Amino acid sequence: QKEVEQDPGPLSVPEGAIVSLNCTYSNSAFQYFMWYRQYSRKGPELLMYTYSSGNKEDGRFTAQVDKSSKYISLFIRDSQPSDSATYLCAIPLGTNAGKSTFGDGTTLTVKP
Amino acid sequence: DTEVTQTPKHLVMGMTNKKSLKCEQHMGHRAMYWYKQKAKKPPELMFVYSYEKLSINESVPSRFSPECPNSSLLNLHLHALQPEDSALYLCASSLNTGQGNEKLFFGSGTQLSVL
Repeated sequence: QKEVEQDPGPLSVPEGAIVSLNCTYSNSAFQYFMWYRQYSRKGPELLMYTYSSGNKEDGRFTAQVDKSSKYISLFIRDSQPSDSATYLCAIPLGTNAGKSTFGDGTTLTVKP
Repeated sequence: DTEVTQTPKHLVMGMTNKKSLKCEQHMGHRAMYWYKQKAKKPPELMFVYSYEKLSINESVPSRFSPECPNSSLLNLHLHALQPEDSALYLCASSLNTGQGNEKLFFGSGTQLSVL
């Protein structure tokens, strides 16, 4: 079993829609949960991270962790064409942030 | 300056060639990383340098040889590659705080094709 599984997509939504991107993980000891955005032909960029359970909001983006069900989500409100990208959930393994297990990514297209 | 700069952006090489990928950052980060990313797949960690010393090698074949000449530069030397090594090679850096939540800064990558 992979340590983190991501809903594969792809997703195509109209502009203004609410988008939900989801991952599940297997190890209850994981504490940090990251979301990266990767535009085509670019490297990933960290969007936001959460620690333990709960929600974290940053503008139109909300990251949510449910440790009881080992489920992490990223919500995008009022989606824009500029949000079209691949979104990767990632969980650091230990104390080295670079040694993370990544989901396979969900490609999102927001149509004007 | 919050950029990680990678050169070249694209590289085509034959299986007998020797080439090098370069990565540079001027953010004072003391951890630098090489990743390999195949199409529609997540990045896979190859190497980690911590304070200019190789700290993690994820069982990468010896045809890939990393080098960290100083705290700002990271190279990846390539020799006798195989067509299956064709991928996007990403460099990243971070402060090296020892915290799992520290931010990684990625470059735009080098798209490598091995013929």
